This record gives sequence, structure tokens and C-alpha cells, in this order.
Amino acid sequence: QVQMVESGGGVVQPGRSLRLSCAASGFTFSSHGMHWVRQAPGKGLEWVAFISYDGSEKYYADSVKGRFTISRDNSKNTLNLQMNSLIAEDTAVFYCAKDPGLKHSSGNYFEYWGQGTLVTVSS
Amino acid sequence: EIVLTQSPATLSLSPGERATLSCRASQYIATYLTWYQHKAGQAPRVLIYETSKRATGIPARFSGSGSGTDFTLTISSLEPEDFAVYYCQQCSNWPLTFGGGTKVEIK
Repeated sequence: QVQMVESGGGVVQPGRSLRLSCAASGFTFSSHGMHWVRQAPGKGLEWVAFISYDGSEKYYADSVKGRFTISRDNSKNTLNLQMNSLIAEDTAVFYCAKDPGLKHSSGNYFEYWGQGTLVTVSS
Repeated sequence: EIVLTQSPATLSLSPGERATLSCRASQYIATYLTWYQHKAGQAPRVLIYETSKRATGIPARFSGSGSGTDFTLTISSLEPEDFAVYYCQQCSNWPLTFGGGTKVEIK
């Protein structure tokens, strides 16, 4: 069955960096685009970033553009999110999510989700 | 950026009642709309994609309709496990955006 497990969350000071990872299994990882989505405490869902199946296309929310970098390692079935210059507003549960589209065809929605990892930005 | 406005913010209903949730887009998105259910402490779950197609394993009491800018999620008869927060999401344009959510609570 499809499974995604996020890791790397924790407490970090403002201005510092953190790297999240998502280990995927149960599907052909290298054939699907992947997303990061977050939810701040008491708030709704916010899409963060997308990477295409081969890493050639990347899109970001304006709120993280220039600070966050999405990447993937298809040989290890792993999705990553490098987060730099963190601010308090980045405090959230971060979910990785599988796009249903195959290769060049992206569905641009979130077919399966991991359980999330909590990032807390605080001094 | 496409803004999605969900209404009402909260819906207070009893089990067995019909729930009607609305999602309005700030610009035309054809049928590129998805609905999710989210319960506290759990991962969100996709219910409906492309406005009206039920995702795998989703019961028939969930249905979606609409096109263009106005969309509706209907739960025909609420089961106890349906009380949750529901989000719509547009997949027409980057950046992908969500509505603010509708909480369906027990009356």
C-alpha cells in the first residue's frame, strides 16, 4: 500500500535552517510528482511546493519562494524540503503528498498523504 | 492567485441529515476542483477530484457538483465519522490554493 513517512521536524530558532525528508513506498516513486503541504496551528491547509517526477519542474508558494528548496532522490524514493531563513510563520505540520498524475501528466492534487512532521520556529 | 471561499465556516447538523458545503473560486477553474476531509491528528483524505469523481474507497453518500466558479460538496446522510473539517482545493493554476475550510460539527 502507498505509504509516506516524513521526518526531520523539530524546534528551530528563527533564521536557522531545517531539512525535511519523506520516505515513500508502495508505488513507483520515480513516475509521480510530489508535493509538500503544511498546516499552521489552528489554521487551514497551505500548499508549499511541487516537484515533477524527474525533478525538472518545481513550483513554490510565494510565502516560501527563495527560502525553501524542494528536491528528490528517485534512487532512494525520497522527497526533501530544505528550509532556510525560517520565521515564526513557518511553524506548522508539514505533509508530503503524492500527485496522482503519471510522469508528464500532473493531477495537481494530493492523492495520498503522510502523517506529517511538526516544525516549530521559536527562540 | 486563485482565492477559494468556502461557506459556511461551520455547519451544525445531526447524524442522518444532509450536508451541503459550498466553495467559490475567484476566477474560472473549469472542473479542476478537489475536496478533502481532515480530522484532527490525522492526514487529510481526498474525497472528490475533478469536481465530481469519487476517490477510491469513498462512500456514495459523498458527491460533488459544479463548474466554473461555484462548487458544492454534498453528504447525503451524515454518519458519525463524517464530522470533520472539509477543504476544497483548486488544481487549475499555480500556486495551488485551498479554501479556508468548513467544519461540520455535531448539533
